[in-house]
Amino acid sequence: DVVLTQTPPTLSATIGQSVSISCRSSQSLLHSNGNTYLNWLLQRPGQPPQLLIYLVSRLESGVPNRFSGSGSGTDFTLKISGVEAEDLGVYYCVQSTHAPWTFGGGTKLELK
Amino acid sequence: EVQLVESGEGLVQPGSSMKLSCVASGFTFSNYGMNWIRQAPKKGLEWIALIYYDSSSKYYADSVKGRFTISRDNSKNTLYLEMNSLRSEDTAMYYCARGYFDYWGQGVMVTVSS
Repeated sequence: DVVLTQTPPTLSATIGQSVSISCRSSQSLLHSNGNTYLNWLLQRPGQPPQLLIYLVSRLESGVPNRFSGSGSGTDFTLKISGVEAEDLGVYYCVQSTHAPWTFGGGTKLELK
Repeated sequence: EVQLVESGEGLVQPGSSMKLSCVASGFTFSNYGMNWIRQAPKKGLEWIALIYYDSSSKYYADSVKGRFTISRDNSKNTLYLEMNSLRSEDTAMYYCARGYFDYWGQGVMVTVSS
């Protein structure tokens, strides 16, 4: 099974600060169809997760453009350009290139 | 508006069975693969099962393989998760999610305890 390793596990930021989260895969997430099925989710306290980014870098409808995703193969990054209070919670990467799908361990974004 | 509504929440004893449902609305259910994901208290997300749009393929996490069965009824826009031989470590919030995780239900809590 694909293992996704997220770093750091916890991130402390001030409002307005830019931060990045890394997601490293144990094998390439490039599908034979040419797509890379790596998504980023945010789970706010007490809420189900919500999709932020799909196919590595595509912004889900309604998600602010301060969120961006990049990467390829086995290394991926989520960047938040100017953290806002509503961004606090746990971020997860998830892959759906290789069954069974797998989630990263999560990165908790806290206020400093 | 896309909605996924889970039901079947409850407290059960170890070794018993339980069935969860997820009713979908606001999209053509029969066009999408569907997933079950769980989250143990204070833990991360764990994907546990996937079913293709036409039920032609099903996949399971090793932790539930042989005990849990995912199924769907496209005529009822409903996804199911049948859980047998439940263990204390199956205690978690269970979510259904569409396709590539673009829509999620609110989740139902399953507690396995004597």
